[in-house]
Amino acid sequence: DVKVTQSSRYLVKRTGEKVFLECVQDMDHENMFWYRQDPGLGLRLIYFSYDVKMKEKGDIPEGYSVSREKKERFSLILESASTNQTSMYLCASSLNRGSRQPQHFGDGTRLSIL
Amino acid sequence: AQSVTQLGSHVSVSEGALVLLRCNYSSSVPPYLFWYVQYPNQGLQLLLKYTSAATLVKGINGFEAEFKKSETSFHLTKPSAHMSDAAEYFCAVTVQTGANNLFFGTGTRLTVIP
Repeated sequence: DVKVTQSSRYLVKRTGEKVFLECVQDMDHENMFWYRQDPGLGLRLIYFSYDVKMKEKGDIPEGYSVSREKKERFSLILESASTNQTSMYLCASSLNRGSRQPQHFGDGTRLSIL
Repeated sequence: AQSVTQLGSHVSVSEGALVLLRCNYSSSVPPYLFWYVQYPNQGLQLLLKYTSAATLVKGINGFEAEFKKSETSFHLTKPSAHMSDAAEYFCAVTVQTGANNLFFGTGTRLTVIP
């Protein structure tokens, strides 16, 4: 089975801090994704990557950046955390471009910005 | 452009009753469709997927869904609800090209009444 591991289940940070959320997958997947999940809004795509050092903006990239230095690792960075970034963050991976294989999700990081 | 509409943000059923969760999609090309389930404080788990083969798709935990092109629907059903089915369910559709992006519905929270 595909394993997507997010480094923290719960995280509390302060406004203005730089926050790193880490995600690692163990199935040699090319595609990786970061979503945030908010009640009533479902999942919204922040950034995605289909190759090492490649990144593409999703629907809500403002206030976020990403890093993909190695194929298995995809990091989400909140440059200067704000209270409206309090949310559940989900990382996912899938096989490769165009395959339309399912995405596999980590257990999420519940981030609170005080 | 692709999109998904899930009718009903909350659905309640009695234990043993039929579960019906509605999903309608919009897609300009033949879609791939997915249902995911999310248990409290966990990530999303794939229930089933439609990939243009059989229109009736069987998934895990006794769930199934039928793809109806004429109705642009992909409703999720289970003949007899179990307490353990209480969760949030998300329908998703793919885009044809790109990094296998998924467009998610806003989710339906299923409550099972003893």
